[in-house]
Amino acid sequence: GESVGLHLPTLSVQEGDNSIINCAYSNSASDYFIWYKQESGKGPQFIIDIRSNMDKRQGQRVTVLLNKTVKHLSLQIAATQPGDSAVYFCAEAGGSYIPTFGRGTSLIVHP
Amino acid sequence: EAQVTQNPRYLITVTGKKLTVTCSQNMNHEYMSWYRQDPGLGLRQIYYSMNVEVTDKGDVPEGYKVSRKEKRNFPLILESPSPNQTSLYFCASSLGDRGVIGRDTQYFGPGTRLTVL
Repeated sequence: GESVGLHLPTLSVQEGDNSIINCAYSNSASDYFIWYKQESGKGPQFIIDIRSNMDKRQGQRVTVLLNKTVKHLSLQIAATQPGDSAVYFCAEAGGSYIPTFGRGTSLIVHP
Repeated sequence: EAQVTQNPRYLITVTGKKLTVTCSQNMNHEYMSWYRQDPGLGLRQIYYSMNVEVTDKGDVPEGYKVSRKEKRNFPLILESPSPNQTSLYFCASSLGDRGVIGRDTQYFGPGTRLTVL
């Protein structure tokens, strides 16, 4: 498959555990944030988004938390499954149509 | 099936030989964009288009051209490719409702691996 990054931070978890992936952003003006999942050999896939007037948003097995005070975003995945193994990255947008993407975190789920 | 398609998926070429990577979406999306993905750098936007005949530069537009003559197609053109344009390229599309929950989701194509020798 395609390699999407070298020396990415890696999170290893056991199947069934909860996973927390973190992302720090730098632009205080960013008002919209998105989490993507990228499996080997595929394009990024939207997971969940959140606006800056929210602290938390939940989807199916995923929760995004936003802490604007420390410019921190996290993605929580409940009951992690082997199919969740992928690179996860956040993106921020602040008033323009040019989003800024993080480098990503590699999630490895062990059966 | 709603999707973004790119062609070719893999391309090896030589410096200076003009090439075009096609991108097409079947979701009637107004917003389309091109990204390149390089190890350690993440995704960087090359160009984007808000609608037909409306295009704008992203973060790394040098050496690239785009056109948007039809809503569904957004080709990426490299007039004179150079080795530093060796990368993994992604096309994406969305409804373009900037920052609106659920309406700014970008759908990405499968990627085009370009090698310029």
